[in-house]
Amino acid sequence: AQSVTQPDIHITVSEGASLELRCNYSYGATPYLFWYVQSPGQGLQLLLKYFSGDTLVQGIKGFEAEFKRSQSSFNLRKPSVHWSDAAEYFCAVGAGGFKTIFGAGTRLFVKA
Amino acid sequence: DSGVTQTPKHLITATGQRVTLRCSPRSGDLSVYWYQQSLDQGLQFLIQYYNGEERAKGNILERFSAQQFPDLHSELNLSSLELGDSALYFCASSLQREEQFFGPGTRLTVL
Repeated sequence: AQSVTQPDIHITVSEGASLELRCNYSYGATPYLFWYVQSPGQGLQLLLKYFSGDTLVQGIKGFEAEFKRSQSSFNLRKPSVHWSDAAEYFCAVGAGGFKTIFGAGTRLFVKA
Repeated sequence: DSGVTQTPKHLITATGQRVTLRCSPRSGDLSVYWYQQSLDQGLQFLIQYYNGEERAKGNILERFSAQQFPDLHSELNLSSLELGDSALYFCASSLQREEQFFGPGTRLTVL
């Protein structure tokens, strides 16, 4: 069955430090992969997506993610975190037929 | 601004009541999705419509129903409300490839 695992419920990083949020998926075919961000009380905003091609994808707000088929992973990275990046981040996989499966989310805290 | 609109923004009602949440998708998007987000359940997919027809069903209760109209807007009807139905309800729309654009949500409080 298709699934998405975000192993970290929450992560705390210092402002200016690098960030990596982990995401593992289970899907039989080549997946469509997404990262979304949700600020408190807001809807989800698409950060980046992977459909095919270059396995390193760039997104908005300085985020990038790398698709690693061998590890079934799609980790999100940012070289230098800003306080405004504090939010909840969701990894998602497109499971075919317009169905998308979301992970449980990772809440990012940024300390000064 | 994603281009997806949802009304109302907040809704407070009592147990046993019925409410209707409305969603207007982005211009040109044919698919509409409904999600429920609560602290204990996380983001749960409820149902999806494509060009007026139900396409996929998730963890949607029998007390809940939805429809998509010819102008592509959608409504989610929640009836016989219980305290546990209190949550954020999101609508999202897409044109292709499962890339979804989310609305700002409707916060439902059942007292």
